[in-house]
Formats: sequence, C-alpha cells, structure tokens
Amino acid sequence: KAGVTQTPRYLIKTRGQQVTLSCSPISGHRSVSWYQQTPGQGLQFLFEYFSETQRNKGNFPGRFSGRQFSNSRSEMNVSTLELGDSALYLCASSSSTGPLGGEQYFGPGTRLTVT
Amino acid sequence: AQTVTQSQPEMSVQEAETVTLSCTYDTSESDYYLFWYKQPPSRQMILVIRQEAYKQQNATENRFSVNFQKAAKSFSLKISDSQLGDAAMYFCAYSAGNNRKLIWGLGTSLAVNP
Repeated sequence: KAGVTQTPRYLIKTRGQQVTLSCSPISGHRSVSWYQQTPGQGLQFLFEYFSETQRNKGNFPGRFSGRQFSNSRSEMNVSTLELGDSALYLCASSSSTGPLGGEQYFGPGTRLTVT
Repeated sequence: AQTVTQSQPEMSVQEAETVTLSCTYDTSESDYYLFWYKQPPSRQMILVIRQEAYKQQNATENRFSVNFQKAAKSFSLKISDSQLGDAAMYFCAYSAGNNRKLIWGLGTSLAVNP
C-alpha cells in the first residue's frame, strides 16, 4: 500500500502571497489531519477532515483553511503569508474504523519558506 | 487544557545500552491515548508505541516499552539494546478519546554513540 504523499515537498513564497499544499492519504483512509511543525512551537494541530467535513480545528487564524475531496485527498491553504508561517507542514491519515486512538500515518511533509 | 511536557531536550546513549525518555501530561479526561513517535533526520514521523489509558498493562513493542503511571500522569519510553538507527527526535503525544487531535511535547533528541 502506498503511504501518505504530500506535494510539493519544498516551497518558497513571498510575504503576502498565498499557498496551497496537497495531501493524499493512504488508500481507504478517510481521516486527514494537518500539523504545523516549527522549531519554536513544536508540532501544532491545524485541523482534521473526515468524509469532506472539518471535524476539529486548532487554534490558528482564519488565514489557514483546508478542505477534503470525495476521494479523501486534502488541501490546506494559507493566505496572506507571514514570515512566521515558515514551517514544515505535516499531513497524517488514519482509518475511519477502529478506535479514535488508532495510529496516524504521516507524510514526509512540505517545507514552506516565506521570505 | 491538555498539555504534554518532555523535560529532556537532548539525550545520548551508548549503542547496546538502555535509555529512558520522560514524558508527563496533564488532562482531566478519563478516556485518552498516549503515543511515542519517532522522527528521524529524514523527517518521516513514525509511530513507535501507543498506550490506551484504560489499560493498566504497559505497552511493549520489541525493544521499546513504556512505563505508564496514570495517577502520576507520566508516560516514559524505554529503549533497550539501543541501535544506531534509533537516533532521532522522539515525541510524546496525547489524544483524548473522542477525537484524533494529537497534542505534542516538544521532543527529545536522542543520539546513539557507537
């Protein structure tokens, strides 16, 4: 089974621009979560999507948004980029069955640099 | 609010020796899960071991085991017979029983010396 894939792997953007990151979960997984990883703040939860619905949201400004498609692929969008948005963005997928504490499988991440 | 604390930013261990990484957490939930994740330099996050809060027995996965002290809200990871491939950042994480949101500690960087 193919793992979680994220595209692009690296991205350089300028302040004020917007960016869209993509995540393809493991086949059959319907839950996709997004995390932001920075050296200062560590890993922080952005949001979770399940069957095209946002089920949970972290404490991030409205500039951060996401969506999920009927094939479970997910995108996250950051508008009006700020220098502080520079981070590794990780996507994780998990099976819809089993306990909520089941394993989440992570992608390799997208490294976003804002200049 | 739930929090996860890892008090050891860096640790080192000799190859073949045993090392214990510490993690404490705070929650008022009774139903929750605890995890240790490993992030090698290549950045792919991998689940090492998980513990359901309702289980008293400590989880074990090959050379990896945990010491889960529910009353003390402590969840340490023991790595036995350390190998060079164990060198990585180790993150302790928590999720409440009713969702998949993971709350993370800041991580412990583990070096394995040959």
